Amino acid sequence: DQQVKQNSPSLSVQEGRISILNCDYTNSMFDYFLWYKKYPAEGPTFLISISSIKDKNEDGRFTVFLNKSAKHLSLHIVPSQPGDSAVYFCAARRINTGTASKLTFGTGTRLQVTL
Amino acid sequence: EAGVAQSPRYKIIEKRQSVAFWCNPISGHATLYWYQQILGQGPKLLIQFQNNGVVDDSQLPKDRFSAERLKGVDSTLKIQPAKLEDSAVYLCASSFPGLALRNEQFFGPGTRLTVL
Repeated sequence: DQQVKQNSPSLSVQEGRISILNCDYTNSMFDYFLWYKKYPAEGPTFLISISSIKDKNEDGRFTVFLNKSAKHLSLHIVPSQPGDSAVYFCAARRINTGTASKLTFGTGTRLQVTL
Repeated sequence: EAGVAQSPRYKIIEKRQSVAFWCNPISGHATLYWYQQILGQGPKLLIQFQNNGVVDDSQLPKDRFSAERLKGVDSTLKIQPAKLEDSAVYLCASSFPGLALRNEQFFGPGTRLTVL
């Protein structure tokens, strides 16, 4: 049962343009969402997060949007840079459980930023 | 600040053999996680420790996998005996209690296991 889904396995964007990565979830008990970025042969690194009480969180070139009614979130990168080329994982957490910090990850989207 | 350390980085074994992975979390991080990432999938939590106690091991195949975190610092994950489907990257992560709300986990580089 894939509770966090990233339906686009790959995305190619030109440098300077906007990259939009999408993520859908099915569990309405999720209340905190994170994006991680992963380069080859490295572990994932935290990028940006959003609480379910918000609909937008911005950090520099990265913005995450949350649509709770649609159970959908997206990561916008603008402008995209070649160094952004990586695999991006969406992750979700259920709060107020015995394992409050347990994350459920999506399958990832490989972003390639071309020159 | 030193990151999460893992060893070995790569391991190739034959099925039915045993293997062990080691993780040293960031100093002061009380929570430690082991994830399994199969090719083309996202990381899946195997076990979570809070200090030296197990918080969640619901997805750990306990008939062949075991993990310990003696003294609440380093941790080892063992597979005995290994199966072909255990081929994956095993990621260790840690987090500081003060960051629990943001749930920012810091990941090590992982150990790539190939079972032949």
